[in-house]
Amino acid sequence: DAGITQSPRHKVTETGTPVTLRCHQTENHRYMYWYRQDPGHGLRLIHYSYGVKDTDKGEVSDGYSVSRSKTEDFLLTLESATSSQTSVYFCAISPRGFMGTDTQYFGPGTRLTVL
Amino acid sequence: QQQVKQSPQSLIVQKGGIPIINCAYENTAFDYFPWYQQFPGKGPALLIAIRPDVSEKKEGRFTISFNKSAKQFSLHIMDSQPGDSATYFCAASPNTDKLIFGTGTRLQVFP
Repeated sequence: DAGITQSPRHKVTETGTPVTLRCHQTENHRYMYWYRQDPGHGLRLIHYSYGVKDTDKGEVSDGYSVSRSKTEDFLLTLESATSSQTSVYFCAISPRGFMGTDTQYFGPGTRLTVL
Repeated sequence: QQQVKQSPQSLIVQKGGIPIINCAYENTAFDYFPWYQQFPGKGPALLIAIRPDVSEKKEGRFTISFNKSAKQFSLHIMDSQPGDSATYFCAASPNTDKLIFGTGTRLQVFP
């Protein structure tokens, strides 16, 4: 999984509680991404980062926030988890985005269940 | 305009068959079209990618066909094997920062 770890790998939580998912990379790549994967929807971008402290929204950013204080770590926070946020969350990294032949490398995923 | 439409949702073929998965897009600014393969319990992994300056790209048994005027691209898997059973995602990039993914195709190849 290209030097990417996600923690935790599985989490069960209750509605209304805060949740933070961590993505850690050892590749020193500039770009980091958070996606959610749901049946029938494929992969949808939540937020991404193009450098330390530089982040931008994706197509499904409502209810999520992110932070990147170091190159290697990208945190995804659900301030108050809802059942609609039950999903599998994937982190991905890319050296320079999609320039030339660069591409994304995905982590192993975090399965989050909100009861 | 930012969508990528993928079909079929699922596909069943016999070993040796040639499954074809199709994707269509609206935004003519898209300039990078990758395909990802995902096995159960794993993250997606890049399979093959194409840019709009070519109409076809082949890597091993996997071929992308690209039709710029129709705004469509497809993945062909030659001589499919049971080990190719996975979910396949097409994607397109509207800029250098991010990808828009299709909804996925679950492929099953039976011996």
